[in-house]
Amino acid sequence: GQQLNQSPQSMFIQEGEDVSMNCTSSSIFNTWLWYKQDPGEGPVLLIALYKAGELTSNGRLTAQFGITRKDSFLNISASIPSDVGIYFCAGSAGYSTLTFGKGTMLLVSP
Amino acid sequence: EAGVVQSPRYKIIEKKQPVAFWCNPISGHNTLYWYLQNLGQGPELLIRYENEEAVDDSQLPKDRFSAERLKGVDSTLKIQPAELGDSAVYLCASSLAPQSIQYFGAGTRLSVL
Repeated sequence: GQQLNQSPQSMFIQEGEDVSMNCTSSSIFNTWLWYKQDPGEGPVLLIALYKAGELTSNGRLTAQFGITRKDSFLNISASIPSDVGIYFCAGSAGYSTLTFGKGTMLLVSP
Repeated sequence: EAGVVQSPRYKIIEKKQPVAFWCNPISGHNTLYWYLQNLGQGPELLIRYENEEAVDDSQLPKDRFSAERLKGVDSTLKIQPAELGDSAVYLCASSLAPQSIQYFGAGTRLSVL
């Protein structure tokens, strides 16, 4: 099935550093979502975006819905060890079907 | 409030054997989804239910996979017979309405030997 282009594939950073990851699509989406998945668990929603250009924060996380509606960005500021996990973007064209990216694996060194 | 509950968490079977997974969605959520997640990949939709009706099963391999949601609440996904390539994590999600936020269960990790 179709999957979004998510980058980078993985990141290994030091605690306290900022992190940026992005997701692009060949299709226009009406909704962009960012999930985090810990080992052995299901994805947990971090941020939902509903309008082109929208910038939304959730604590140290900030995400943006791209103006073209074909991309989205997630930033994590001042990373901590518990930020470790796999981050997935997901887009919806409005019919409840989500298309996921392949994920960005984040490792944080104390 | 309880989240999406899936069982079993892990299942190991030999190829050609049948296997079934169970999902209990969040109370009051009318829409239920089954996803397949291969290693290193994002979840991919297998089937979506609105109440007891399967409204999108286009990605479900119907020769060996089947699903049901008889009373519009919990759901079962079955594979018969299982193949080696079916080894993956099977995730269940639910949402209040078709276009609402989806909440995921912890998944069932299937290993086919």
